[in-house]
Amino acid sequence: DVKVTQSSRYLVKRTGEKVFLECVQDMDHENMFWYRQDPGLGLRLIYFSYDVKMKEKGDIPEGYSVSREKKERFSLILESASTNQTSMYLCASSLHRRKQGPGNTIYFGEGSWLTVV
Amino acid sequence: SQKIEQNSEALNIQEGKTATLTCNYTNYSPAYLQWYRQDPGRGPVFLLLIRENEKEKRKERLKVTFDTTLKQSLFHITASQPADSATYLCALVLYNFNKFYFGSGTKLNVKP
Repeated sequence: DVKVTQSSRYLVKRTGEKVFLECVQDMDHENMFWYRQDPGLGLRLIYFSYDVKMKEKGDIPEGYSVSREKKERFSLILESASTNQTSMYLCASSLHRRKQGPGNTIYFGEGSWLTVV
Repeated sequence: SQKIEQNSEALNIQEGKTATLTCNYTNYSPAYLQWYRQDPGRGPVFLLLIRENEKEKRKERLKVTFDTTLKQSLFHITASQPADSATYLCALVLYNFNKFYFGSGTKLNVKP
């Protein structure tokens, strides 16, 4: 079974702190994603990576950065946390489309609940 | 602008009935559409996908339809059970991209 593991389930951070959210997948997937999920707004893509050291901005990248130094690991960084970044963060992975073609599915981690006070 | 809309109001049905959830989209041309289930405090889990050239797909008690003219997908759960209670999300995947675009989900409550 595919496993996507997020290092922290619950975090409480202070405004202005630097926050790292770590994610590891064990299925050799090329694609990795970071989403945030808020009530009524659904899942919104923050960043996407299709290869090591490659990244693309999603719909809401402001205030976030990412790092992908190894294929299995994708980190989300909040340089200076703010209260409006309180949310549930979901990491996910998938095969690159050229490998699986149509029918590619995405596998999610369990989520990291971040509260910024 | 591009939108994916799912009914934000919870759907409450009686056990044994068929639940029907709707996903509408605008300004997308998806290669395929997927449905995911999300339980409280957990990440979404893939259920079923349907390609843009398919009209209907079935898997056990689940059925998905896809109408690219109406830009709509319907997700049915027949003989619903309380264990089916969860939030259901639709996702679009476009041609030539690896990104997944999600709706905000509809919460289903199946009462015994």
